[in-house]
Amino acid sequence: DQQVKQNSPSLSVQEGRISILNCDYTNSMFDYFLWYKKYPAEGPTFLISISSIKDKNEDGRFTVFLNKSAKHLSLHIVPSQPGDSAVYFCAAILNRDDKIIFGKGTRLHILP
Amino acid sequence: DTAVSQTPKYLVTQMGNDKSIKCEQNLGHDTMYWYKQDSKKFLKIMFSYNNKELIINETVPNRFSPKSPDKAHLNLHINSLELGDSAVYFCASSQQAYGYTFGSGTRLTVV
Repeated sequence: DQQVKQNSPSLSVQEGRISILNCDYTNSMFDYFLWYKKYPAEGPTFLISISSIKDKNEDGRFTVFLNKSAKHLSLHIVPSQPGDSAVYFCAAILNRDDKIIFGKGTRLHILP
Repeated sequence: DTAVSQTPKYLVTQMGNDKSIKCEQNLGHDTMYWYKQDSKKFLKIMFSYNNKELIINETVPNRFSPKSPDKAHLNLHINSLELGDSAVYFCASSQQAYGYTFGSGTRLTVV
């Protein structure tokens, strides 16, 4: 059973516009959520995170929103830049396990 | 029906021992990976295999050796385990850079 779901395998956004990547999860006990970015032939790199007690975290062009009642989080990138083209993974952590559970990823393509 | 399964989930062993972590995927993907998670939750790629052929071999000690008997399996052998090898190791698979699927991770503790 997939606990972290990214239902859009790919997304194309015009350069300069807002990119919104979505993620749903099933386990209400998750303590922490993370977004990773991955370029081809490289490992995923940490991008931004949010604690389950918050509903928003912002870091430069990146903002993550958490809606606990809907078990949904989203990553907003504003404005989108060509270097943002990558695969983005949503992930969640249960503190007691201290393991990361990953979604399948969404491939973001920024159009010129 | 687990898509990428790693065994064991937890492994506690003494320094100097040799151990293996197994990974199997039933997705029909051509590419499989091993990642190591560091203390800051970063994932560092170790190896990548495509159709049993080694594609990526990052700078890891040669005590770590991947083995891919077929494209559905990628096992990780670690010789002469050291304390610094303690980490969570993730197996993953993908098909043409889309739809990555990660295993649940193996927590290795070297004592």
